[in-house]
Amino acid sequence: AQSVTQLGSHVSVSEGALVLLRCNYSSSVPPYLFWYVQYPNQGLQLLLKYTTGATLVKGINGFEAEFKKSETSFHLTKPSAHMSDAAEYFCAVTRSGGSYIPTFGRGTSLIVHP
Amino acid sequence: DTGVSQDPRHKITKRGQNVTFRCDPISEHNRLYWYRQTLGQGPEFLTYFQNEAQLEKSRLLSDRFSAERPKGSFSTLEIQRTEQGDSAMYLCASSPRSSGGYNEQFFGPGTRLTVL
Repeated sequence: AQSVTQLGSHVSVSEGALVLLRCNYSSSVPPYLFWYVQYPNQGLQLLLKYTTGATLVKGINGFEAEFKKSETSFHLTKPSAHMSDAAEYFCAVTRSGGSYIPTFGRGTSLIVHP
Repeated sequence: DTGVSQDPRHKITKRGQNVTFRCDPISEHNRLYWYRQTLGQGPEFLTYFQNEAQLEKSRLLSDRFSAERPKGSFSTLEIQRTEQGDSAMYLCASSPRSSGGYNEQFFGPGTRLTVL
């Protein structure tokens, strides 16, 4: 079974500041890991994913995440926040095989102050 | 094709009524998924189809819920005898045929159900 823990239901940053959204996972098999973004009244959009290979993955809109097996973490970062980054972010894990049904975390709401 | 579409976007109903939602996936995608998202939570898997076959169902999918995907195209999700606890956002996603690896799921905008 897989599970995801997102630390902090809300994260508040100033425009231009570093964004760090935390995600820890639990999986009995090698995981695939994902970050999704959800804007109000919209569906989820994939930001980035880790499946195999390089542990630092780059996604859209300047976001990146690093898979750290020893820490069972997949934190999302962006060097400089923009007002348009304000949204809900979800970390998800799926097993590397089978139906690839993801298990989502509870989400972190990113608030960006001018 | 502009993406996954869902209809209606919003539905308000009274407890005990039946409701049906529709999802139109991206045309070349053979996999279709349904999720439920309640306030303050991430999406929870309900069921998925590969073509017209329903391959997996979550324990969340009680006997009041039924999903179909006739001819492997659009899908419907019906909830019978709705309860207030059914109030949620119902998300649909689709993905292309898998060649043995993961394929990205593309999500629709969701149908928000409110049961009074």
